[in-house]
Amino acid sequence: DTGVSQNPRHKITKRGQNVTFRCDPISEHNRLYWYRQTLGQGPEFLTYFQNEAQLEKSRLLSDRFSAERPKGSFSTLEIQRTEQGDSAMYLCASSQPTGGINTGELFFGEGSRLTVL
Amino acid sequence: GQQVMQIPQYQHVQEGEDFTTYCNSSTTLSNIQWYKQRPGGHPVFLIQLVKSGEVKKQKRLTFQFGEAKKNSSLHITATQTTDVGTYFCAAPIINTDKLIFGTGTRLQVFP
Repeated sequence: DTGVSQNPRHKITKRGQNVTFRCDPISEHNRLYWYRQTLGQGPEFLTYFQNEAQLEKSRLLSDRFSAERPKGSFSTLEIQRTEQGDSAMYLCASSQPTGGINTGELFFGEGSRLTVL
Repeated sequence: GQQVMQIPQYQHVQEGEDFTTYCNSSTTLSNIQWYKQRPGGHPVFLIQLVKSGEVKKQKRLTFQFGEAKKNSSLHITATQTTDVGTYFCAAPIINTDKLIFGTGTRLQVFP
């Protein structure tokens, strides 16, 4: 399978615990995005990378959230001291911008569903 | 900040009826993308529009980008049960590739 891979697919944790999600993008894609989606809502932008550089982090993201893409390949999203409000689907997507005003389509993974008890 | 709104939020149609969802931006867009998310699934890219007034068709789906590049629409002719899902538009923040998604329109098709 050469698509975007995310794991774990499901994570149930107790409030206050730390969780980490991993995303493996399509290999030739240099852009990697993290989104959060709650039931009935559209994907909410969290952060994105060009290769290993983190280009932007949403102001909605508290200091408990951190993302890395150390070698410009896979990425991790860590949430420290989880809260019930963090319960959501965390989606990763990758793209290969074609330049100019063509942003490039996003290829999404299946997502990692987090439940904080 | 830049926002992308969609209407309607929900649409229930009888199979065979047409469906349209509208996407509106507070600012001029360089391009707009459309995605479909099936229940329990992840968003899947449908199309990207770049030119002012552009119209693209994919079988029963017709996508349009407004002349002012601030709005877009997706029209489905003669809906089928396989069209069920939520349709999102997405657009980049000005001068970035940060894509923000619209609020989505959930389509339900009754046989």
